[in-house]
Amino acid sequence: SYELTQPPSVSVSPGQTARITCSADALPKQYAYWYQQKPGQAPVLVIYKDSERPSGIPERFSGSSSGTTVTLTISGVQAEDEADYYCQSADSSGTYKVFGGGTKLTVL
Amino acid sequence: QITLKESGPTLVKPTQTLTLTCTFSGFSLSTSGVGVGWIRQPPGKALEWLALIYWDDDKRYSPSLKSRLTITKDTSKNQVVLTMTNMDPVDTATYYCAHRMTGGSGSYPGAFDIWGQGTMVTVSS
Repeated sequence: SYELTQPPSVSVSPGQTARITCSADALPKQYAYWYQQKPGQAPVLVIYKDSERPSGIPERFSGSSSGTTVTLTISGVQAEDEADYYCQSADSSGTYKVFGGGTKLTVL
Repeated sequence: QITLKESGPTLVKPTQTLTLTCTFSGFSLSTSGVGVGWIRQPPGKALEWLALIYWDDDKRYSPSLKSRLTITKDTSKNQVVLTMTNMDPVDTATYYCAHRMTGGSGSYPGAFDIWGQGTMVTVSS
């Protein structure tokens, strides 16, 4: 089955830059999406189509793509950014959607 | 404003069939490009995509669960129903439905842009 690979955890101090990666073979062909999930809450879309930011999402959230890896970057991390982050994409045909295993962002 | 809400049993027994309903407002599943998906999350674990249904009744299923899942829509009631057969304790999870527009449509094409609050389902005898 097709999988997206994320690091289980990332830790940064407030004000620093956090980078969360997501890797898979089909990412050069399929867009990636990023979701933020805080405890007890539903996921919230923070990046779509690799690098686009939805309305209402702070500018410190950005996305990029290079080959088989996409990256969510949070610049000037704030305590409120502590959450689980999931990438989502599709297999090479675009038919089957898939989520990564999630990355827990800890703000030290 | 788009909203979605999941409903269904909180407890099912092993081998039973689970039926979940997603009731939505703020959009129509008869509009070109619109889709509704189901995603689940076992306690403390990652999100898992289950199924998608589109305005034209095109249906997509997770390959690993395809034999157990059925997704249907009732456009007149603004509802999407997911059934999962032969439930097992490993299916214990929070089940979410979410709005999605196809790749060439909407404000955030291709994304699950609006999610319901989720409904927790426990499988236990």
